[in-house]
Amino acid sequence: QKEVEQNSGPLSVPEGAIASLNCTYSDRGSQSFFWYRQYSGKSPELIMFIYSNGDKEDGRFTAQLNKASQYVSLLIRDSQPSDSATYLCAVNPDSSASKIIFGSGTRLSIRP
Amino acid sequence: DAGVTQSPTHLIKTRGQQVTLRCSPKSGHDTVSWYQQALGQGPQFIFQYYEEEERQRGNFPDRFSGHQFPNYSSELNVNALLLGDSALYLCASSLDTGASNSPLHFGNGTRLTVT
Repeated sequence: QKEVEQNSGPLSVPEGAIASLNCTYSDRGSQSFFWYRQYSGKSPELIMFIYSNGDKEDGRFTAQLNKASQYVSLLIRDSQPSDSATYLCAVNPDSSASKIIFGSGTRLSIRP
Repeated sequence: DAGVTQSPTHLIKTRGQQVTLRCSPKSGHDTVSWYQQALGQGPQFIFQYYEEEERQRGNFPDRFSGHQFPNYSSELNVNALLLGDSALYLCASSLDTGASNSPLHFGNGTRLTVT
């Protein structure tokens, strides 16, 4: 079982709609969870991080964490064509500031 | 405020050769992690350096080695290159706060092609 699993997509969402991206992780002791956005040919950039159960909102982005279900999600409201990218879920599997494990990413396409 | 810088941006090597990639962390950061990203895949953790020592290592062979200097910059060395080593190599820096929620800041990467 992979440590961090994501649906590879592509996920196609109409402009203005809500895009929902999901991620599951295997290590129940994981402490911190991150969402990165990666445009084609570019490096990943941090969108949000979350470490407490529940929702965390930042502008059009909402991260949701459910540690009991080992599930993290990212909602993008009012999707724009510029949101078209690969979204990487990442998990810190222990309590120290050490390695962060990435999923393989979900490709999101916003259609005008 | 300089972000993470990597050099070179592109590199072409022949199978069996050796390569050195360089990384300067974001100002104020003390920890450097290296990742390998194959096309269509997520970044794979190679290792992390903190206080000039390798703190943690992923599932990569000994052909992959690294170093961190007193100014926190870092090098990734790969010996006996294989065709499968062709990938984007990402350097990421962070600040060790002792907490687990220290996010990574990535450089633009080095695209390595092995022929």
